[in-house]
Amino acid sequence: DVQLVQSGAEVKKPGDSLKISCKGSGYNFATYWIGWVRQMPGRGLEWMGMIYPDDSDTRYSPSFQGQVTISVDESINTAYLQWSNLKASDTAMYYCARRAKAGGYTWFDPWGQGTLVIVSS
Amino acid sequence: DIRMTQSPSSLSASVGDRVTITCRASQSISTYLNWYRQKPGRAPELLIYGASSLQDGVPSRFSGSASGTDFTLTISSLQPEDFATYYCQQNYNTPYTFGQGTNLDIK
Repeated sequence: DVQLVQSGAEVKKPGDSLKISCKGSGYNFATYWIGWVRQMPGRGLEWMGMIYPDDSDTRYSPSFQGQVTISVDESINTAYLQWSNLKASDTAMYYCARRAKAGGYTWFDPWGQGTLVIVSS
Repeated sequence: DIRMTQSPSSLSASVGDRVTITCRASQSISTYLNWYRQKPGRAPELLIYGASSLQDGVPSRFSGSASGTDFTLTISSLQPEDFATYYCQQNYNTPYTFGQGTNLDIK
């Protein structure tokens, strides 16, 4: 079974740093892009960026470039999303998802269960 | 960035109804369009990829079509588990933008 399992909920203060994780299993982790998606409370989905574990090639949405860092440790099949200076506006649910492809098309499936990040003083 | 505009933003319907949700891209994306369903409190799940290909395991009441930069998701006969929020997403180029979502609730 292809599965992505994310780390647990976090409560942080403004200015804190944070690294959340997404561990893949049931497939060749190195050869599928892993994407990250933000969902702020009561809002829609926002694509943040993605990473290719085999060579750490990373693509960011301009909206998130410089605000977060996406990284990977291929040896333990885990991708990460990291902040160095959290803001209250970073409060959201964060999902990772595997980018699959066939016949020239790509899509995100499966998704992790989500990691809730709350930033509050 | 490619802008994806969904309509309607919300929709009320009954079990057994046929519903259609539309997504318009701000530029040509060929058929690089996916549809997801997000049930309350759950992660999104893929329904349709490549504008019209049904993901394995997804019921056949879901279908997708494309005409130029306009895309539609049709649910032929709503079931209780279909009352959720639906998102389109273009995978033509990065950033892979989503539509704003369509909230489908029970009438």
